Amino acid sequence: QVQLVQSGAEVKKPGASVKVSCKTAGYSFFSYAISWVRQAPGQGLEWMGWMNVNSGDTHYSQRFQGTISMTADRSTSTAYLEVKSLRSDDTAVYFCARYNRDDSTSDYWGQGTLVTVSS
Amino acid sequence: QSALTQPASVSGSPGQTITISCTGTSNDVGYYDLVSWYQQVPGKAPRLMIYEVTKRPSGISSRFSGSKSGNTASLTISGLQADDEADYYCFSYAGSSIYVFGSGAKVTVL
Repeated sequence: QVQLVQSGAEVKKPGASVKVSCKTAGYSFFSYAISWVRQAPGQGLEWMGWMNVNSGDTHYSQRFQGTISMTADRSTSTAYLEVKSLRSDDTAVYFCARYNRDDSTSDYWGQGTLVTVSS
Repeated sequence: QSALTQPASVSGSPGQTITISCTGTSNDVGYYDLVSWYQQVPGKAPRLMIYEVTKRPSGISSRFSGSKSGNTASLTISGLQADDEADYYCFSYAGSSIYVFGSGAKVTVL
């Protein structure tokens, strides 16, 4: 069955970077894109962007331009989200999801990765 | 890109029908028929409930339905059940490969 399994929780200091992985299985990695969404504690969902894993093209929310990077390792069907120059308000659960560009849906999701930014 | 506007909370008794609104602009909700709805139980990943304004994915109850009028999309839950209690988020395409979530609505079953 379709699975997206994310890396474990991280604790980082302000100014550091974090790289979250999202290993996929159960479907053709090249047939779908990957989107990333985050959720700060007690807050709503925030769309971060998506990546076409075939072309490598990325599309980021303006809010995150310059501070995030989405990449993919096709050999292991794994997607990555790097968040740079972390601040305390980057503390959140980060979700990856399988994204279908045709109908703009994310139908399968990872379990989420908690990133805590604290000095 | 600002978040789409949803009521903070909506409540109803078991068996009742409730509607959650999602107001955007003529650049997102009003322009594209690419509005979807996600249900999120605290501590869990979101679950797709409605896509392309009115369509239900396989396995989603027909008690859930979607619609749109102008810049406002709506999710209707009929025959409200206890396990419908969750947060609901609308999501819309906003052009140029960019998307935006709604602010979220907490549904409480009284």
